[in-house]
Amino acid sequence: EVQVLESGGGLVQPGGSLRLSCAASGFPFSSYAMGWVRQAPGKGLEWVSSISGSGGSTYYADSVKGRFTISRDSSKNTLYLQMSSLGAEDTAVYYCAKSEGHKSRYYFDYWGQGTLVTVSS
Amino acid sequence: EIVLTQSPGTLSLSPGERATLSCRASQSVSSNYLAWYQQKPGQAPRLLIYGASSRATGIPDRFSGSGSGTDFTLTINRLEPEDFAVYYCQQYGSSLTFGGGTKVEIK
Repeated sequence: EVQVLESGGGLVQPGGSLRLSCAASGFPFSSYAMGWVRQAPGKGLEWVSSISGSGGSTYYADSVKGRFTISRDSSKNTLYLQMSSLGAEDTAVYYCAKSEGHKSRYYFDYWGQGTLVTVSS
Repeated sequence: EIVLTQSPGTLSLSPGERATLSCRASQSVSSNYLAWYQQKPGQAPRLLIYGASSRATGIPDRFSGSGSGTDFTLTINRLEPEDFAVYYCQQYGSSLTFGGGTKVEIK
């Protein structure tokens, strides 16, 4: 059974940093791209970032480019999202999702339950 | 960036009725790379349709997707009580973008 489980969310001050983790199981982790999608309170879905199965290609939404870094550790079957220079606009539930597709053209077939990031002083 | 506009914003229907949801793209979606998701309150989204018309694993056949180019449709035949939720479309032909969602509520 495919499972993805996010962790690392919490309250962070404006300008601060946070690292999210996503533990994956039930599928050959290094064979699949992974991504992060966020949802601000009461709002719709926004794609944040994706990474290829090998980790060699990464993709970012313009809204987070230069501030967020996606990475993966195949030895631990874990996906990461390092977030810095956080602002109130980054407050959201962050979902980790297994991806299908290729060369940045991804859709998301399995999702975690999400982890809440709140940016506030 | 391809902008996806979903309509209507809210659809009020009764169980057993048919729901027709629209997703319009600001430019043609390459290879019909369009997906649909269902999200219920407090839950993660669930993949329903990919490639505009292919049902994901375990999705009932009352859900169907159609369309090409810039106009796509999700149809839910014979609404079941568990189908009342918010539905999002997502294009993956050029970067990744989501539509704003359509809420299907009980009339």
